[in-house]
Amino acid sequence: GAVVSQHPSWVICKSGTSVKIECRSLDFQATTMFWYRQFPKQSLMLMATSNEGSKATYEQGVEKDKFLINHASLTLSTLTVTSAHPEDSSFYICSAREVITDTQYFGPGTRLTVL
Amino acid sequence: KNEVEQSPQNLTAQEGEFITINCSYSVGISALHWLQQHPGGGIVSLFMLSSGKKKHGRLIATINIQEKHSSLHITASHPRDSAVYICAVRWNTGNQFYFGTGTSLTVIP
Repeated sequence: GAVVSQHPSWVICKSGTSVKIECRSLDFQATTMFWYRQFPKQSLMLMATSNEGSKATYEQGVEKDKFLINHASLTLSTLTVTSAHPEDSSFYICSAREVITDTQYFGPGTRLTVL
Repeated sequence: KNEVEQSPQNLTAQEGEFITINCSYSVGISALHWLQQHPGGGIVSLFMLSSGKKKHGRLIATINIQEKHSSLHITASHPRDSAVYICAVRWNTGNQFYFGTGTSLTVIP
């Protein structure tokens, strides 16, 4: 079946640095990708919808200047957490929507720890 | 308000038991995912359903569109099935998925 990968699977960084997380659809084209965040013992929450070739749509309460999303190609979306703070420590998950079958596939997630 | 509810929240079972996890939602959906999340956090997609029933190994997922309800069954449960199981739905009116709070399953040897 279709696979979505994320890189890195985990990252530890210092407060104030920026971290980039990649989401790739490995064997299909995804015009739309979604970024989710999960805090400990909580459910996943949608952060933003990433559309290839256009600006991302952010959910209410998500700072677009802090969480930069780029969807430069049909197989890659990136999420950059800028000037990371400890409260940004979370599990970030992407999903990709395959246009032909209208099926969404989830990535395995990236655990971010900000010290 | 559109909602996704899972039950039970926590479940402990003896190895070999038959397990059922339920997911109910409030309005019409176009798709429903069952996901498995292990303690390390990684997400694995188990099933995607829009109708009927699917089976993969010891796992069975069913959905009843009229009743707005889906169930995930695990037959002959094993300690390695211990994980959080999450139901995610896509409403008819959108493309993104919304998630239940998850069911934490512990299977004891």
